[in-house]
Amino acid sequence: DSGVTQTPKHLITATGQRVTLRCSPRSGDLSVYWYQQSLDQGLQFLIQYYNGEERAKGNILERFSAQQFPDLHSELNLSSLELGDSALYFCASSSGTSEEGYEQYFGPGTRLTVT
Amino acid sequence: AQSVSQHNHHVILSEAASLELGCNYSYGGTVNLFWYVQYPGQHLQLLLKYFSGDPLVKGIKGFEAEFIKSKFSFNLRKPSVQWSDTAEYFCAVGYTTSKLTFGTGTRLQVTL
Repeated sequence: DSGVTQTPKHLITATGQRVTLRCSPRSGDLSVYWYQQSLDQGLQFLIQYYNGEERAKGNILERFSAQQFPDLHSELNLSSLELGDSALYFCASSSGTSEEGYEQYFGPGTRLTVT
Repeated sequence: AQSVSQHNHHVILSEAASLELGCNYSYGGTVNLFWYVQYPGQHLQLLLKYFSGDPLVKGIKGFEAEFIKSKFSFNLRKPSVQWSDTAEYFCAVGYTTSKLTFGTGTRLQVTL
């Protein structure tokens, strides 16, 4: 158990809908990262937040957005869903400092199926 | 932009065979290197990491990796694999506290 929790584990929804994925980082970790894992794209970085502020952006679609709240949990919002958005969405956290050597701890993921 | 190449997409080994999975990255600066493992239906777990110092790093479950700066490589090794090592293995590169860039993964199948 990495200490990173994600809810829900599975999500099935229809095209055009909007969903919210939630992530709670390890206790004390300030950085949260979102990744998408799909068969055709592999593991792709989406976005990073550090202590409530956006730190870095990757291959994140405009239909997707994220935020990190004062208690450091994060939410990834996916809207106008398409079939191609079906994937496993991972959240990871790190301390954000050099002391732990930049190691990222991954959560169990949310499997999103768009029908 | 940085990239990571894993040359072996699918490897099948018998139990007790030796394992070496290749990983090459493109970037000229200081990097942090990782190997993650993903067992079927599970999340990514860190096997080992390299930040600095001894280029031969040892991880969990008997895995080790060697960082060769001149070759931009970070190959994963295990002298004797077990059936329980069946999983997907990902090499990743990171820079300080930024994102990780992952390779496409290597699916390892260990047969009895």
